[in-house]
Amino acid sequence: AQSVSQHNHHVILSEAASLELGCNYSYGGTVNLFWYVQYPGQHLQLLLKYFSGDPLVKGIKGFEAEFIKSKFSFNLRKPSVQWSDTAEYFCAVKNNQGGKLIFGQGTELSVKP
Amino acid sequence: EAGVTQFPSHSVIEKGQTVTLRCDPISGHDNLYWYRRVMGKEIKFLLHFVKESKQDESGMPNNRFLAERTGGTYSTLKVQPAELEDSGVYFCASSQGLAGIYEQYFGPGTRLTVT
Repeated sequence: AQSVSQHNHHVILSEAASLELGCNYSYGGTVNLFWYVQYPGQHLQLLLKYFSGDPLVKGIKGFEAEFIKSKFSFNLRKPSVQWSDTAEYFCAVKNNQGGKLIFGQGTELSVKP
Repeated sequence: EAGVTQFPSHSVIEKGQTVTLRCDPISGHDNLYWYRRVMGKEIKFLLHFVKESKQDESGMPNNRFLAERTGGTYSTLKVQPAELEDSGVYFCASSQGLAGIYEQYFGPGTRLTVT
């Protein structure tokens, strides 16, 4: 069965620090990969996605993620975080046939001003 | 364009009672999904509708949960009778076209508390 593992449950950073959130998945076939974010009091929204092509994908608000197939990883990065990045971040995967998303446990990011 | 809406935003019921959650997808979206997040755990898939048909209901926990999507528009998720372990946040999402390609847009969720 597919599964997704996010390495950190809670990350605390100061503004301007660099961010990397780990995500590993288990699935042997072709996958589509996603990072979603939920800001306090808001809906889950898509940050970025990988379907195929360039394994380095850029998303909204300066986020990027790199798909490393050999490591089954899809880590999220941002060079310099802002207080407004405080949110919960979810990595998700689905196979390229069905629609259901398999989510990781989520990582809560707190950015200190 | 209106987003995915869910009603109610919060429901508190006693064990053994019935609750019905509603989801209105984005207009024109054929795909509708239900997910659930129990406190401290990951968001888990419950089921997927394509129009009015259940495409995948592999995530439904048991037969106390009944989902419908009459006419391929809004969907309801009924829990009857509710148990304590049903507490959590129930999310609905919708997407257009072929399920494998398009982004899923999520609603705000319904927080269900069973006491």
